[in-house]
Amino acid sequence: GAVVSQHPSRVICKSGTSVKIECRSLDFQATTMFWYRQFPKQSLMLMATSNEGSKATYEQGVEKDKFLINHASLTLSTLTVTSAHPEDSSFYICSASGGQYSNQPQHFGDGTRLSIL
Amino acid sequence: AQRVTQPEKLLSVFKGAPVELKCNYSYSGSPELFWYVQYSRQRLQLLLRHISRESIKGFTADLNKGETSFHLKKPFAQEEDSAMYYCALDSGNTGKLIFGQGTTLQVKP
Repeated sequence: GAVVSQHPSRVICKSGTSVKIECRSLDFQATTMFWYRQFPKQSLMLMATSNEGSKATYEQGVEKDKFLINHASLTLSTLTVTSAHPEDSSFYICSASGGQYSNQPQHFGDGTRLSIL
Repeated sequence: AQRVTQPEKLLSVFKGAPVELKCNYSYSGSPELFWYVQYSRQRLQLLLRHISRESIKGFTADLNKGETSFHLKKPFAQEEDSAMYYCALDSGNTGKLIFGQGTTLQVKP
């Protein structure tokens, strides 16, 4: 089945630094990748939709300058949290669809737990 | 507004008991609905989708447009069914998923 790898699984850094999270589709070409944010004991909230080779589409209320998304290849999308602050601490999850799995719903990565001190 | 509601945060049953995890949705078009499951320390994975009309791991879910519901059912719960379950709606076949708040299913021995 489709495998989506997310890296790192956990990151702790100081306030003001930028953090990059990678999402890779290992065995298929992901034409579309999605980025979610999940607060403790809450549901997944879609942040943005990323299509390979084009600009990401952000959901209402998500700062595009704060959460930079790049989807430069069919197997890799990155989310960069710029100048991170404690309120950005959260669980970030990516998912991907496309290729031979284009008629299937999204396949999810393991998530990245981001903690900003 | 598009919305998915899972009214129960926690559902606790004994092994062998029937299970029903509730999901209601709000969507003006023709919905595509899914159930995802997240076992402890594992990633979110698809359990079933309404258009497949299949049973996975003994679970079934029927779309009831009149009641705008997509409840997940299993006649006899097993301990290995203990997990977090999310109901999700594909809004307008865009591939974008709207998730419910999730229900933790705890199956006691």
